[in-house]
Amino acid sequence: GENVEQHPSTLSVQEGDSAVIKCTYSDSASNYFPWYKQELGKGPQLIIDIRSNVGEKKDQRIAVTLNKTAKHFSLHITETQPEDSAVYFCAASQEYGGSQGNLIFGKGTKLSVKP
Amino acid sequence: DAMVIQNPRYQVTQFGKPVTLSCSQTLNHNVMYWYQQKSSQAPKLLFHYYDKDFNNEADTPDNFQSRRPNTSFCFLDIRSPGLGDAAMYLCATSGPGLQYNEQFFGPGTRLTVL
Repeated sequence: GENVEQHPSTLSVQEGDSAVIKCTYSDSASNYFPWYKQELGKGPQLIIDIRSNVGEKKDQRIAVTLNKTAKHFSLHITETQPEDSAVYFCAASQEYGGSQGNLIFGKGTKLSVKP
Repeated sequence: DAMVIQNPRYQVTQFGKPVTLSCSQTLNHNVMYWYQQKSSQAPKLLFHYYDKDFNNEADTPDNFQSRRPNTSFCFLDIRSPGLGDAAMYLCATSGPGLQYNEQFFGPGTRLTVL
């Protein structure tokens, strides 16, 4: 089955700097890669996702890149702000089709942005 | 706004006393999921409903059951909670019109077992 590894487990940056979180996956059949942001005491919120037919996607200060050959994808946050502080989870799955459609999560990265 | 609602947000129960957590959604999604999330860990899928079809994960304990009386509501029943069941329980939905497995999460219910 699919296995997703996420690094680093904790990341501390100064406000205004960039942050990068990396994930690798094992199942070449996976074709959907979402990123979730989870603030303390809240449910995960989808912030950006990427399908396997594109290599990069950007939404304001957030971007995700995908390297299908190497089976890794990364989250990039530019001009970080204190409100970006949260736990970020990557995940991988196949286009919905039974259990293959289940999201397989990485273990999370706790991002701290210092003012 | 269309959303996923979980009640209660905080639940305290006693060891061995049955408890039910609820989830409702206004997204008209046909798939509903229940996850367990322990402190500093990733969400762990317990089971999901695809329409009325129940899909249990192989490692979900028998102590956990679920009901889905209609499209909008789904319940998580813990028959005899143990101390190890204290966690955040997350409900998520997914549905038609979403090309891939996009899931939308509710705010979660924090369960404490005394």
